[in-house]
Amino acid sequence: GAVVSQHPSRVICKSGTSVKIECRSLDFQATTMFWYRQFPKQSLMLMATSNEGSKATYEQGVEKDKFLINHASLTLSTLTVTSAHPEDSSFYICSARDMGTDTQYFGPGTRLTVL
Amino acid sequence: QKEVEQDPGPLSVPEGAIVSLNCTYSNSAFQYFMWYRQYSRKGPELLMYTYSSGNKEDGRFTAQVDKSSKYISLFIRDSQPSDSATYLCAMSATGGSYIPTFGRGTSLIVHP
Repeated sequence: GAVVSQHPSRVICKSGTSVKIECRSLDFQATTMFWYRQFPKQSLMLMATSNEGSKATYEQGVEKDKFLINHASLTLSTLTVTSAHPEDSSFYICSARDMGTDTQYFGPGTRLTVL
Repeated sequence: QKEVEQDPGPLSVPEGAIVSLNCTYSNSAFQYFMWYRQYSRKGPELLMYTYSSGNKEDGRFTAQVDKSSKYISLFIRDSQPSDSATYLCAMSATGGSYIPTFGRGTSLIVHP
């Protein structure tokens, strides 16, 4: 199946710093990528939809100035958590839609811990 | 009422058992149904997807969709300890921007 990578897999940072997470589709092109957040034993919460070459669409309640998304190419989307606070600590997962098969593939996730 | 309902479990079964995982939904526009498996601290992995009512089989896994009842199931035959994970159902309406709605996941434990 198609492969989606995320980097870093784990990050620990101090409160007030910014963290960038990369999501790459390795063997297919993705005009659309999705960013999710998942708390322990909870389902995936869609944060935003990232479209290549245009602005991301954010879900209600998600601060676009705090969670900056850039989809610079057909294989790369980045999520930057700005001025991170402990309440931003979570598991962030991206997914990419394979244009050829119309199937969504997930990355392995990034665990963010803000001290 | 949530659009997609899924019992979080945990569901504990002995090795070799047949497992039945289920989701119900309320949005009749959903046409595209998926099952994902998620191991602890990992991203979800697509197991199966189907567009239509009926059964779809892939090895030990069978996905079943009943649109009239708005009910989908995933059956796992000859369950193994390695099947222990959280299983999430997801569904979406065809067309548009294809943003699936996920269930909260069912935790499955297969003990030797």
